Amino acid sequence: NAGVTQTPKFQVLKTGQSMTLQCAQDMNHEYMSWYRQDPGMGLRLIHYSVGAGITDQGEVPNGYNVSRSTTEDFPLRLLSAAPSQTSVYFCASSSYGDRHGYTFGSGTRLTVV
Amino acid sequence: GQNIDQPTEMTATEGAIVQINCTYQTSGFNGLFWYQQHAGEAPTFLSYNVLDGLEEKGRFSSFLSRSKGYSYLLLKELQMKDSASYLCALWGAGNMLTFGGGTRLMVKP
Repeated sequence: NAGVTQTPKFQVLKTGQSMTLQCAQDMNHEYMSWYRQDPGMGLRLIHYSVGAGITDQGEVPNGYNVSRSTTEDFPLRLLSAAPSQTSVYFCASSSYGDRHGYTFGSGTRLTVV
Repeated sequence: GQNIDQPTEMTATEGAIVQINCTYQTSGFNGLFWYQQHAGEAPTFLSYNVLDGLEEKGRFSSFLSRSKGYSYLLLKELQMKDSASYLCALWGAGNMLTFGGGTRLMVKP
């Protein structure tokens, strides 16, 4: 099993550009989440999904869109990149009640210039 | 909402014992996780507490007191490879995790 796969690992965008961060999991987990991690602020929840076709906003959703058309995939779209979106982005998945919590992807380091 | 506090940084010596504290304020939660995160890598699961008390797993132990809003992670026989960030997270409604800011531990020879 590959676990949670994120692409790309690194990305540089210009202000105003759009892009999609990809996330796929092969563990048949119903729950998937996107977090951003900034120095000194821990992991903050952007959007999450409790199953295919169902998504909801987390703590910091502005400037981001998500969709969940399949159980496996949960892409994160930046609509118009801003320097404030420079961060490390982690995708994670879990099955309900899993006492190991969430399995994380390896992260995408995004810089917006 | 939930408020989770951890010290920002700690330093300890190889072979020693270190305790990383986590205090929280919340209206309710299912359990508390500790994750380890090495620089530039993803968080990985360390421990989970649902009931009050101590959970031991090799060199690592985690403690939870729901009445005091307090947890700690205890690392024994510190090794250089234990230099990492340690993240406390509450598991709440909807299977959601809410993280503290993390504690960066530096282990010195």
